[in-house]
Amino acid sequence: DTEVTQTPKHLVMGMTNKKSLKCEQHMGHRAMYWYKQKAKKPPELMFVYSYEKLSINESVPSRFSPECPNSSLLNLHLHALQPEDSALYLCASSHWTGQGTDTQYFGPGTRLTVL
Amino acid sequence: GEDVEQSLFLSVREGDSSVINCTYTDSSSTYLYWYKQEPGAGLQLLTYIFSNMDMKQDQRLTVLLNKKDKHLSLRIADTQTGDSAIYFCAESTGGSYIPTFGRGTSLIVHP
Repeated sequence: DTEVTQTPKHLVMGMTNKKSLKCEQHMGHRAMYWYKQKAKKPPELMFVYSYEKLSINESVPSRFSPECPNSSLLNLHLHALQPEDSALYLCASSHWTGQGTDTQYFGPGTRLTVL
Repeated sequence: GEDVEQSLFLSVREGDSSVINCTYTDSSSTYLYWYKQEPGAGLQLLTYIFSNMDMKQDQRLTVLLNKKDKHLSLRIADTQTGDSAIYFCAESTGGSYIPTFGRGTSLIVHP
C-alpha cells in the first residue's frame, strides 16, 4: 500500500465554522506533512510531524491546528478561516531516517473554499 | 531570488521529446527531484537524483544534472497527451531532506 488518503476531497466552509481535514497512510512512515498550495504555485510547507511530535511549524496562523493522534493519522483542524485560506491542502508522508531517499508520498489533497 | 527556478510553460507536439529545465542556488543540495502534478491532484514523485550523479534514466525519463552550473533537466521521450501536467523541480539538503520546490513548469502536449 503506497497510498496517502485524504478526506474530504472538497470542503466549503464559512469563516465562523470549525472543520477538520484528515490524512492517513499505512506505509509505516514516521513523518507526516501538511502543505498549502495556491493555484499555479508550488506547495508551501505548513507543518511536519516526526514520530508523532510536531517538529516544524512554518509560522502558520493559529487558526490552523495540526494533530497527529498516531503514526498513521494526521489531522488539520480549521477554525475562523479567512477567504485567502482557500487553497488545496496536501498531506504527505515519508520515512524519517535522515537520508535524502526519505522521499515524500503525497495525497490527492483537499480543495478548501472559505466563503 | 528564488532557490529553485523553472520556466513556467512548455508546449510540445505529441511524440516529440520534452525537456524541462531547472536551476537551483544551494550548492549543498544533496538530492534533486522531479514531481508531476495533474490537475486537481497531489504531487507524484517521478524520479530523483543524488548530487554525485550526472545522469539517471528511467524508461522514458532522463534526468541530467550539471552540478557545476546547478542545472537540472528532465527529458521525456515520446511525449504523450497524458504527460500534460505541471512538473515541479525540487532540491533538498542534509538534515531534514524536506524538499524546496520550484514554481513548476506547465507542460502542454498537443496532437
